[in-house]
Amino acid sequence: QSALTQPRSVSGSPGQSVTISCTGTSSDVGGYNYVSWYQQHPGKAPKLMIYDVSKRPSGVPDRFSGSKSGNTASLTISGLQAEDEADYYCCSYAGSYTFAVFGGGTKLTVL
Amino acid sequence: QITLKESGPTLVKPTQTLTLTCTFSGFSLSTSGVGVGWIRQPPGKALEWLALIYWDDDKRYSPSLKSRLTITKDTSKNQVVLTMTNMDPVDTATYYCAHSLQWLSPPDYWGQGTLVTVSS
Repeated sequence: QSALTQPRSVSGSPGQSVTISCTGTSSDVGGYNYVSWYQQHPGKAPKLMIYDVSKRPSGVPDRFSGSKSGNTASLTISGLQAEDEADYYCCSYAGSYTFAVFGGGTKLTVL
Repeated sequence: QITLKESGPTLVKPTQTLTLTCTFSGFSLSTSGVGVGWIRQPPGKALEWLALIYWDDDKRYSPSLKSRLTITKDTSKNQVVLTMTNMDPVDTATYYCAHSLQWLSPPDYWGQGTLVTVSS
C-alpha cells in the first residue's frame, strides 16, 4: 500500500478538464511544499510534470497545473488531449527519515 | 544533455545480492546540490522510492528497505551503484535511476529503467 492515496482512475473527454487528487498526511504532503507529479506512458520512464506543488519544468504545457490544500495535493489537466492518456503519480518529501513517498498512481483515460 | 542508464543482471536468484550501476553524463556528482537516486516499479504497480546519494555523500534510504540497501558513488566514473541484499521474488521490478538538481528537488531526468526478475 502506497503512502499517498490517489484515485485508481479518472477519465475525461478531449477539451475537458480533469483533476487528480493525492492525499497524504501532515508528515508529508501537508508538511512541506515539495509535492511533484509524474506522467508515465506504458513502457516509458516517468516524466516530471509539476514540482514544488505548482511549478512547471521547462517544456511542460501550461495545461498542467498543481495545487495543494492541507494534506491533499491536486493535479489539474485542462484542455485534455489524447496524448495526456497515461498514468500519473504524485510524490512528496516526507521528512529527513522517510525522505520521499509516492502515490499509488492514477490511470487517466481520454474518452 | 543529461542522460542516465541503468545496468546490471536481468535475473537473480532468491537470497542473492543485486548490484545495479547507474552511468550518467551531462552533469557531475561533484557539483553542489546534485543527487542521484533509485526508484523501482513492480510490473503493473506503483513507483517506490528506494535511495538517494548527494554530491557531498549524504545518503538517504527508504526506511522499509534500509537494512538491505547500500548506495555509493564514483564521481570519477560518473557512476552510482545500488546494492540490495537478500533478494526475493517480490523485488521483481523495473529499477530506475534518476537525477535531482538540488537538495529536495524531485527526480527530473530518469534512465530508461532495467527490469530485474527474481526467480530460482
